[in-house]
Amino acid sequence: SAVISQKPSRDICQRGTSLTIQCQVDSQVTMMFWYRQQPGQSLTLIATANQGSEATYESGFVIDKFPISRPNLTFSTLTVSNMSPEDSSIYLCSGEDRNEQFFGPGTRLTVL
Amino acid sequence: AQKVTQAQTEISVVEKEDVTLDCVYETRDTTYYLFWYKQPPSGELVFLIRRNSFDEQNEISGRYSWNFQKSTSSFNFTITASQVVDSAVYFCALTNAGGTSYGKLTFGQGTILTVHP
Repeated sequence: SAVISQKPSRDICQRGTSLTIQCQVDSQVTMMFWYRQQPGQSLTLIATANQGSEATYESGFVIDKFPISRPNLTFSTLTVSNMSPEDSSIYLCSGEDRNEQFFGPGTRLTVL
Repeated sequence: AQKVTQAQTEISVVEKEDVTLDCVYETRDTTYYLFWYKQPPSGELVFLIRRNSFDEQNEISGRYSWNFQKSTSSFNFTITASQVVDSAVYFCALTNAGGTSYGKLTFGQGTILTVHP
């Protein structure tokens, strides 16, 4: 099974700033996704990171707020732009490998 | 639209008790995958099982077992002889097996399981 790492593991940021989260998979995966988990809540899909093309966003999420890159089959980034306290969440990257979905350890973001 | 319901918000048991976590799903797709994940206090999401909609056989893995019933759209998870280390949030999830929604997981709200010594 694929192993996924994320950087940073946690961060505390000031409102109005941006943070870029990196996701690295130890093997090539066809599909990569970004999820958000707000405090005490379940996971919600933000977008599908498409290799070599623009990400596909779910309802309620837009590219200007959450730009995503995926330059190859093992790496993706998610940027949380112009942050507000409501963006305080855990952001998780996942990869699909042989019909199984594995998750990174998450990035705990606190916005003050 | 897909939906996953975990009606039990919190469950508290004493060590060595058996516990069942319920999961009910809704989907219009005939082919889909169901998942269970464990999220311990450390926060990472640990993959437990994936079940194809065509495979209704129950599965057992050590103290864990899963009961999949298409007739009732349920995919329940039982922990036998629970241990303190089983304390975590457990999520049930669903995705299509094909099409544009393939791989996109819809999660239930999660069940917080606390196992007391």
